[in-house]
Amino acid sequence: RKEVEQDPGPFNVPEGATVAFNCTYSNSASQSFFWYRQDCRKEPKLLMSVYSSGNEDGRFTAQLNRASQYISLLIRDSKLSDSATYLCVVNRSNQGGKLIFGQGTELSVKP
Amino acid sequence: DAGVIQSPRHEVTEMGQEVTLRCKPISGHNSLFWYRQTMMRGLELLIYFNNNVPIDDSGMPEDRFSAKMPNASFSTLKIQPSEPRDSAVYFCASQGKLKGNEQFFGPGTRLTVL
Repeated sequence: RKEVEQDPGPFNVPEGATVAFNCTYSNSASQSFFWYRQDCRKEPKLLMSVYSSGNEDGRFTAQLNRASQYISLLIRDSKLSDSATYLCVVNRSNQGGKLIFGQGTELSVKP
Repeated sequence: DAGVIQSPRHEVTEMGQEVTLRCKPISGHNSLFWYRQTMMRGLELLIYFNNNVPIDDSGMPEDRFSAKMPNASFSTLKIQPSEPRDSAVYFCASQGKLKGNEQFFGPGTRLTVL
């Protein structure tokens, strides 16, 4: 079993739709959590960190449930430019070091 | 402000040849990471350095792979001899002390071993 698991998709949604991605992690010692975005044939880039209290950045909302070892990302009012692969990432430390990446969930937003 | 720089961007080589990938981290960052990405296995950490010292090389697939960081502004990943199964995109990433856990990735080197 992989340490970080995601539904690979693809998710095909129309513009304006709300889409949710889920992720589970197996190591209860994980301390910090992130969503990265990777465009086709490009490098991954940090989208947002995920905090226990939940956090929002514009149309994006991230949630963490430590008891269930579950992370989510919600995208509201999706845009064509949101089309990308979204990577769920965990770290066992709050002080840098090794990141464990999920396989990624592919999102395609259609006009 | 320059990001992480990698070279070459593309490399095509024949099985058995030596391949050297290069990385220049963001100035002032003290941690450097080498990743490999394939469709089958996703993004895998190969090795990472902290203050130029290798900390965790458990992801290095086998002895054919080696990595060095002779100074704070340069690292290499070498494959000798290369095999077709080494074909992948190799990313270098760097991380600073004061930026939490954000890692900044370079554009990657797309390696094809024939």
